Amino acid sequence: GQSLEQPSEVTAVEGAIVQINCTYQTSGFYGLSWYQQHDGGAPTFLSYNALDGLEETGRFSSFLSRSDSYGYLLLQELQMKDSASYFCAVRSLYNQGGKLIFGQGTELSVKP
Amino acid sequence: EAQVTQNPRYLITVTGKKLTVTCSQNMNHEYMSWYRQDPGLGLRQIYYSMNVEVTDKGDVPEGYKVSRKEKRNFPLILESPSPNQTSLYFCASRPAGVYGYTFGSGTRLTVV
Repeated sequence: GQSLEQPSEVTAVEGAIVQINCTYQTSGFYGLSWYQQHDGGAPTFLSYNALDGLEETGRFSSFLSRSDSYGYLLLQELQMKDSASYFCAVRSLYNQGGKLIFGQGTELSVKP
Repeated sequence: EAQVTQNPRYLITVTGKKLTVTCSQNMNHEYMSWYRQDPGLGLRQIYYSMNVEVTDKGDVPEGYKVSRKEKRNFPLILESPSPNQTSLYFCASRPAGVYGYTFGSGTRLTVV
């Protein structure tokens, strides 16, 4: 089977750093993506890791360890607008990489 | 403006009445996909398409059909909707070789 696990909710204060973890089990792995979704809105792509290591995009960084089947999203200098749900997603080797499996999401609350 | 357009945004229908949710993208993307989102279950892939006339099932295809006759359009068809298909539906697209999807604004479907 294929599954992803991430915490259901995380709370942090404005200006802090928060890490959202994601562990996955999948038969055939291409890469790990992260998406942000504000209340009922469209998910927005944040990052993609195909190789081990850290990818940085502004205040957001994403890390992948293929040997541990583990990744995380790191958000720095948290702002109130970062309050949202964050989803990790695995791109599967199956069928030219069209299959994408999402975790259940982590709801991040940023407090003043 | 580059975008994925879904219609309608909201729909209430009755059990058994065939309906189509349209999805169109103006970015010449090869990959298109449909997801449903239910509380506590994250985003689950219904169908995806790698290009014109190439489609495959995601994790929850039962009760849905798709077609990809033109590159820009990827309609989702519910031949005989049932109440358990009440959900928030998202269409998404991405180009080949780039791994972040662009999502539409969503269609909130209620089947009574």
